[in-house]
Amino acid sequence: EAQVTQNPRYLITVTGKKLTVTCSQNMNHEYMSWYRQDPGLGLRQIYYSMNVEVTDKGDVPEGYKVSRKEKRNFPLILESPSPNQTSLYFCASSSVGPGANVLTFGAGSRLTVL
Amino acid sequence: GENVEQHPSTLSVQEGDSAVIKCTYSDSASNYFPWYKQELGKRPQLIIDIRSNVGEKKDQRIAVTLNKTAKHFSLHITETQPEDSAVYFCAASSTLRSNYQLIWGAGTKLIIKP
Repeated sequence: EAQVTQNPRYLITVTGKKLTVTCSQNMNHEYMSWYRQDPGLGLRQIYYSMNVEVTDKGDVPEGYKVSRKEKRNFPLILESPSPNQTSLYFCASSSVGPGANVLTFGAGSRLTVL
Repeated sequence: GENVEQHPSTLSVQEGDSAVIKCTYSDSASNYFPWYKQELGKRPQLIIDIRSNVGEKKDQRIAVTLNKTAKHFSLHITETQPEDSAVYFCAASSTLRSNYQLIWGAGTKLIIKP
């Protein structure tokens, strides 16, 4: 089944404790992206990647890192999480680019930073 | 910068009535306009999209119209049903841009009253 898999789905952590949210897709998509969703603010893009070893900042990249060493994986790294990073995170992928093709989203990862 | 404004933020309609959600975009180069539906607790999923070479597209009870002159596009849902209750996001993109980035609206919460 074609899908985007995120882990963990739920995580409660404390300020400053590094964490990684993994994202993997099995559709051979070139484009991958991370979004955060907060009440009333819609979907805000954190980082995106057009292909292996190519990453770019989105609208809200501060406090986050990403890497794209393999085409299928696009982990989101919070080096020193803070409470304002408490949010619902979505990974998404598409072929070519989202303007031309359908974005497939993962199920979401709900992160709480205490 | 480029932006997409979406209205209303909340829409409540009686079951069986029609619902219309409108989005206005700022970048005249935009040529791809998808609509995503996010049910409560679920991931966003594409429900319909339109490209700038057409003015209207229909899929059963859902239709999208595009007015390039006025730079706005709308989602129309007819004969609304309880399962239409969700948050709807519009977005705009230009395939002329090298990164194919989607610019998202803030979302509309659609409530279907029984």
